[in-house]
Amino acid sequence: GESVGLHLPTLSVQEGDNSIINCAYSNSASDYFIWYKQESGKGPQFIIDIRSNMDKRQGQRVTVLLNKTVKHLSLQIAATQPGDSAVYFCAENISGGSYIPTFGRGTSLIVHP
Amino acid sequence: KAGVTQTPRYLIKTRGQQVTLSCSPISGHRSVSWYQQTPGQGLQFLFEYFSETQRNKGNFPGRFSGRQFSNSRSEMNVSTLELGDSALYLCASSLDGRETQYFGPGTRLLVL
Repeated sequence: GESVGLHLPTLSVQEGDNSIINCAYSNSASDYFIWYKQESGKGPQFIIDIRSNMDKRQGQRVTVLLNKTVKHLSLQIAATQPGDSAVYFCAENISGGSYIPTFGRGTSLIVHP
Repeated sequence: KAGVTQTPRYLIKTRGQQVTLSCSPISGHRSVSWYQQTPGQGLQFLFEYFSETQRNKGNFPGRFSGRQFSNSRSEMNVSTLELGDSALYLCASSLDGRETQYFGPGTRLLVL
């Protein structure tokens, strides 16, 4: 979910568990959504995207689910590994217009070996 | 294909000074966007350049400016630095600004 103030929501999981990171987006007109992963000291890295004509999209070990009714996005990571530890951001945008995505505050994922 | 590169990676400046940051996009990408990332505000859009023109602008004061060169490389400038300008400045490129953006490693600016 989204954070308030300086503290990011944190999800702690054990290695091998499945992780689910949630994001609520704000603009009902948004039709393109992206998940990014940001490791300490690095820029955000693209993970997976989804357009509003889909409600589910799968990548390698990751699945994104989109619920337009409640404006909710989730990222599922299967068999979470220590290397998955990072901050995960969702971004929303309106395709067909200029690319000014709105980013969520992020969720910190901590994977314990 | 090389990723987005940003220079310098780290900078320390004092209040009142100005700073110029540089970004080289992925080859073939014509859109370059700049973001400011702070713990308190998260990732905030500064501006986007496409074909040497500023196409979109976020809600930042005029002290923040940028430009793009014919080879798509971009620079951003912050004048009259304030303590609150301390942040990670990220550059992202995409083919035409309507596709997925790819981020550089960022320039960490500390204003003393």
